[in-house]
Amino acid sequence: EADIYQTPRYLVIGTGKKITLECSQTMGHDKMYWYQQDPGMELHLIHYSYGVNSTEKGDLSSESTVSRIRTEHFPLTLESARPSHTSQYLCASSLSGTNTGELFFGEGSRLTVL
Amino acid sequence: SQQGEEDPQALSIQEGENATMNCSYKTSINNLQWYRQNSGRGLVHLILIRSNEREKHSGRLRVTLDTSKKSSSLLITASRAADTASYFCAAAGSNYKLTFGKGTLLTVNP
Repeated sequence: EADIYQTPRYLVIGTGKKITLECSQTMGHDKMYWYQQDPGMELHLIHYSYGVNSTEKGDLSSESTVSRIRTEHFPLTLESARPSHTSQYLCASSLSGTNTGELFFGEGSRLTVL
Repeated sequence: SQQGEEDPQALSIQEGENATMNCSYKTSINNLQWYRQNSGRGLVHLILIRSNEREKHSGRLRVTLDTSKKSSSLLITASRAADTASYFCAAAGSNYKLTFGKGTLLTVNP
């Protein structure tokens, strides 16, 4: 069982609010990722990090930002939420050194912006 | 983009039957992985097949890879109601970043 945790699991907020989705892993993985997934759809990579103080934008443009100050922690922030940000956000991490790319996922944070 | 594309988009079978899902991708890969997602949850890694492998087994799962056709298939044998979930293939490119397909929704009826 993967030791990667996301909070909150569900969040309903109004337009214009600032939100932070938390993601923590206890496996010591260097690589961490944020994916966005609409219901019944594929996952889109929006941010990734290969280590502390390293962050990169993914394949899908996103207005969110991320930080990686500690190895185990990779929070995602939306400064001003809009209804178009309504989606499920999945955090993942991967083993260092093996280079297989196998991902371990959290349970996801489902965001609804009214 | 070397996005995987699953086929079919949805599959409904009876318990005990076999379920086959297919995946196609566009460019060369290092490996191809299959994941499972229960409704509203995160993804769970099922099986990985490397580009130099043609077939791999894990319990009731069998994965094949045809690099000449850029395709893979996932077979679940003797399906159970608990196998009901979405199944995604993910292609790992030269930098081992994964690109996911749209998934196949499998429903196993008791």
